[in-house]
Amino acid sequence: AQKVTQAQTEISVVEKEDVTLDCVYETRDTTYYLFWYKQPPSGELVFLIRRNSFDEQNEISGRYSWNFQKSTSSFNFTITASQVVDSAVYFCALSEALNSGGGADGLTFGKGTHLIIQP
Amino acid sequence: DGGITQSPKYLFRKEGQNVTLSCEQNLNHDAMYWYRQDPGQGLRLIYYSQIVNDFQKGDIAEGYSVSREKKESFPLTVTSAQKNPTAFYLCASSIEAGRSSGELFFGEGSRLTVL
Repeated sequence: AQKVTQAQTEISVVEKEDVTLDCVYETRDTTYYLFWYKQPPSGELVFLIRRNSFDEQNEISGRYSWNFQKSTSSFNFTITASQVVDSAVYFCALSEALNSGGGADGLTFGKGTHLIIQP
Repeated sequence: DGGITQSPKYLFRKEGQNVTLSCEQNLNHDAMYWYRQDPGQGLRLIYYSQIVNDFQKGDIAEGYSVSREKKESFPLTVTSAQKNPTAFYLCASSIEAGRSSGELFFGEGSRLTVL
């Protein structure tokens, strides 16, 4: 069965600090997709990134960067020079392409990391 | 603008009552999903639908029911059989069905409180 673990329940940093959110996943499939979503206080989840299992290149988008390492089954998310507007709950999620686990469709989410950026 | 609309945003109900949460999308997406979010629990899949007139149970379907009579609509009924219905409910859609390689688009959620 697929599983996503976000061990950090809550992280609090001061504005302008760099912060890394950890994500570790488990899957039996060789083809899968990893996602990060942001949930601001309004409640709606906002898509940040999708990465397929065959692309281990790190990605940078402005102050956001993602480090995908298949060897450690991790897909970590780093915010550089954090800002108060980055405060939110961040979810890592996994989707298996071939459904070898027999589970339902849709994404499997981690429990989320509540990120607090203090001014 | 295209998107997913959930209503009501806040809902209170007495124990023993059924309640229906609305989810409408104008993105022309085939697949729709209902997730439940509890503090510290992340999102858990309740039901999903890959096509009109078809839907499948997710991980925590007991005490819930859905219908998919129209492509754009996927209402969720929380029945009196659901033992702990107080939660935040999120509806989502994706372009295509099947094991999702695509992103999910989410509504703003409905917060249900049982009094």
